[in-house]
Amino acid sequence: ETGVTQSPTHLIKTRGQQVTLRCSSQSGHNTVSWYQQALGQGPQFIFQYYREEENGRGNFPPRFSGLQFPNYSSELNVNALELDDSALYLCASSFGGSALGETQYFGPGTRLLVL
Amino acid sequence: AQRVTQPEKLLSVFKGAPVELKCNYSYSGSPELFWYVQYSRQRLQLLLRHISRESIKGFTADLNKGETSFHLKKPFAQEEDSAMYYCALRVTGGGNKLTFGTGTQLKVEL
Repeated sequence: ETGVTQSPTHLIKTRGQQVTLRCSSQSGHNTVSWYQQALGQGPQFIFQYYREEENGRGNFPPRFSGLQFPNYSSELNVNALELDDSALYLCASSFGGSALGETQYFGPGTRLLVL
Repeated sequence: AQRVTQPEKLLSVFKGAPVELKCNYSYSGSPELFWYVQYSRQRLQLLLRHISRESIKGFTADLNKGETSFHLKKPFAQEEDSAMYYCALRVTGGGNKLTFGTGTQLKVEL
């Protein structure tokens, strides 16, 4: 069984640029959730994708967008980067969309620094 | 909106001492509560959840709806318990969205 992987591990961008982060879900999982974890904070839900469609969104502006592909891997895109976007971005996969009781398995994260 | 509060940023205990990591939540309905743990240089992983009512690595947590709490307890701390612990909540009908607290760093000293 392959775990959740994320790429890249680290990234440095400048303000105003755009970034794409990638996530491969665990084998057998069809749901991917993205979280932002600022320094000293807990992870904060950005959005979730289930079977290639957005299935819930947190309190993030539209410049945060995503995609899920037929193989259930996912991308998180952030446009017009701001300094406050500097954080660890976590991807978590699970099976079943909104089904209660489904455990989310987290990837190692991508650390983004915006200068 | 739901909220999870972990009042302690750091908890330091001696090996063999009891551990209690506090978690309080605010939500008017029936939530599902979790504890996640992150050991040094490892990814975030599920420790336990209230619906399972199980003990994992000697840790237990009981959901107290009256006090809206889900404190994590272990009778005898071990050095390998040193880690960051996050309490999280999932609401009914809220998809698979988790709302996390800010975390408590547990340090077990010899």
